[in-house]
Amino acid sequence: DTEVTQTPKHLVMGMTNKKSLKCEQHMGHRAMYWYKQKAKKPPELMFVYSYEKLSINESVPSRFSPECPNSSLLNLHLHALQPEDSALYLCASSQEDRGDYEQYFGPGTRLTVT
Amino acid sequence: GNSVTQMEGPVTLSEEAFLTINCTYTATGYPSLFWYVQYPGEGLQLLLKATKADDKGSNKGFEATYRKETTSFHLEKGSVQVSDSAVYFCALSDAGNNRKLIWGLGTSLAVNP
Repeated sequence: DTEVTQTPKHLVMGMTNKKSLKCEQHMGHRAMYWYKQKAKKPPELMFVYSYEKLSINESVPSRFSPECPNSSLLNLHLHALQPEDSALYLCASSQEDRGDYEQYFGPGTRLTVT
Repeated sequence: GNSVTQMEGPVTLSEEAFLTINCTYTATGYPSLFWYVQYPGEGLQLLLKATKADDKGSNKGFEATYRKETTSFHLEKGSVQVSDSAVYFCALSDAGNNRKLIWGLGTSLAVNP
């Protein structure tokens, strides 16, 4: 099973709302990633978790808060977002222990901030 | 620093035409190279990869060869289909941190029947 799932598929939220994006993988991968992608652009790395610990934070604003409850799950908590945060948010996962870092992506959550 | 340069799109082809999307890179060390594809409204899918010089990655009729002497990883397909219409991204693994991918800007491909 080479699938990464993400929920919800679409999300519309106001600037004062709090919401969460969820990601799950069952491939036994020990690294999980959050990316932000604007239309017609490559994805921008936000966070990386390795063995459930945050290993990379690409200077992301604190209104985005990641959480890794266990090795299969990754959440992104959203609070007080701005309209410019509207984008496709992608989750990905990869192996850690074989030197094999190819990343597998989920279908994404399309976020609109109003 | 490491970088990836892709040919600019959009590329428009007729069905059964030959496809080449150029990708060149600048990197220290020996990065792995990847092609990802993004179909309309979807996430990214790993299309193929190569991990060392002269490796050829292939999948779904697409091929790319890791050429260290020309620092290139061009994507080719002999006969494209309408269903190949998508955005194609070339990427390399950052030698300093293999979890980080360095991305090209993407090339949009439209295949007409």
